[in-house]
Amino acid sequence: NAGVTQTPKFRVLKTGQSMTLLCAQDMNHEYMYWYRQDPGMGLRLIHYSVGEGTTAKGEVPDGYNVSRLKKQNFLLGLESAAPSQTSVYFCASSYNRDEFFGPGTRLTVL
Amino acid sequence: KQEVTQIPAALSVPEGENLVLNCSFTDSAIYNLQWFRQDPGKGLTSLLLIQSSQREQTSGRLNASLDKSSGRSTLYIAASQPGDSATYLCAVLNDYKLSFGAGTTVTVRA
Repeated sequence: NAGVTQTPKFRVLKTGQSMTLLCAQDMNHEYMYWYRQDPGMGLRLIHYSVGEGTTAKGEVPDGYNVSRLKKQNFLLGLESAAPSQTSVYFCASSYNRDEFFGPGTRLTVL
Repeated sequence: KQEVTQIPAALSVPEGENLVLNCSFTDSAIYNLQWFRQDPGKGLTSLLLIQSSQREQTSGRLNASLDKSSGRSTLYIAASQPGDSATYLCAVLNDYKLSFGAGTTVTVRA
């Protein structure tokens, strides 16, 4: 079991560029989440999914889109990156309300 | 909206001293509360999960208590070691979504 994996681990973007972060889990979990972590602020929920084909907004969804076409994958997209989106992004999946986290993606937007 | 607060933000203790980390939350209608450990530049590792019906959980040198009615949890780490140096995050689960505190950064001096 690989658990929760995230691709890529690091990325540097220029303002206005787009990119997609991939989260994959092999535990057959229904629930998946995307968070961002900024210094001194803990983790904040961006979007989440309660099952294949479903998505919902979290606390800070603006500037991001998500898709859950397959149960094992949850994609986070930035259509036009902004410096305010410089952060560490964590994906998680959940079974029985116990969340398992990926290692994170460190994104810098110049 | 659930607000989670962790005090203190940082803590430095000599090796062998017991650690006491505090977490408070505003909405007591939670499903569970979880304590995580995060090492610098790394992901989150779940330490303890307390269901809303429980008062405490123990794992080795770690003990976490939960007082749901007053919106408080405390993580105790006995006989601290330099390897306990990390950031500890508290998170509460409402409606399948986790809300995080900003964390307490612990340094254990040898």
